[in-house]
Amino acid sequence: DAGITQSPRHKVTETGTPVTLRCHQTENHRYMYWYRQDPGHGLRLIHYSYGVKDTDKGEVSDGYSVSRSKTEDFLLTLESATSSQTSVYFCAISESAPGTGELFFGEGSRLTVL
Amino acid sequence: GENVEQHPSTLSVQEGDSAVIKCTYSDSASNYFPWYKQELGKGPQLIIDIRSNVGEKKDQRIAVTLNKTAKHFSLHITETQPEDSAVYFCAATSLANQAGTALIFGKGTTLSVSS
Repeated sequence: DAGITQSPRHKVTETGTPVTLRCHQTENHRYMYWYRQDPGHGLRLIHYSYGVKDTDKGEVSDGYSVSRSKTEDFLLTLESATSSQTSVYFCAISESAPGTGELFFGEGSRLTVL
Repeated sequence: GENVEQHPSTLSVQEGDSAVIKCTYSDSASNYFPWYKQELGKGPQLIIDIRSNVGEKKDQRIAVTLNKTAKHFSLHITETQPEDSAVYFCAATSLANQAGTALIFGKGTTLSVSS
């Protein structure tokens, strides 16, 4: 299995509070991604990174920000969580450029916003 | 941007039968079409992929076919086994949305194989 660790794995929080999810990789892959998974919607890209300090928006980026200060860490922040952000969040990594090769996914972080 | 439609949303088969999942895509520039399998409580894992210069690809009991003219591709699983039970996602490259080149996933198919 690819060395991807997501933390926390489970979190319950209240509306309006900030939340940060962490993705840590030991594979030294250049590209990192955050997806959310919701019933009836499949997997949707939130943000991705193509290097340290280089990030770009995905299809559902509103309400989320990311940071990548080291190759191995990619953080997803919800500045003020809303109930619509209740979801399972997956981090993924790839060696090849986005859309050209295999994605390796973490185990997911389940976030509940009350 | 790219839109990927996946059917059916659920599929139940008997062990030993074949299963077929179909996807259509909208962006004619898409050139990479992977399939992912997600077991309960885990992240998706790539099981097979195909590129636009190939019409069919096989890996043991799994095959993928691609029809670029019709813009659809399918996953075929033969001799299904209970361990094939999972959620399957198709995906296609998007070259036109905000993320530049990235994967757009279908909504998933829950496959149940009963013994």
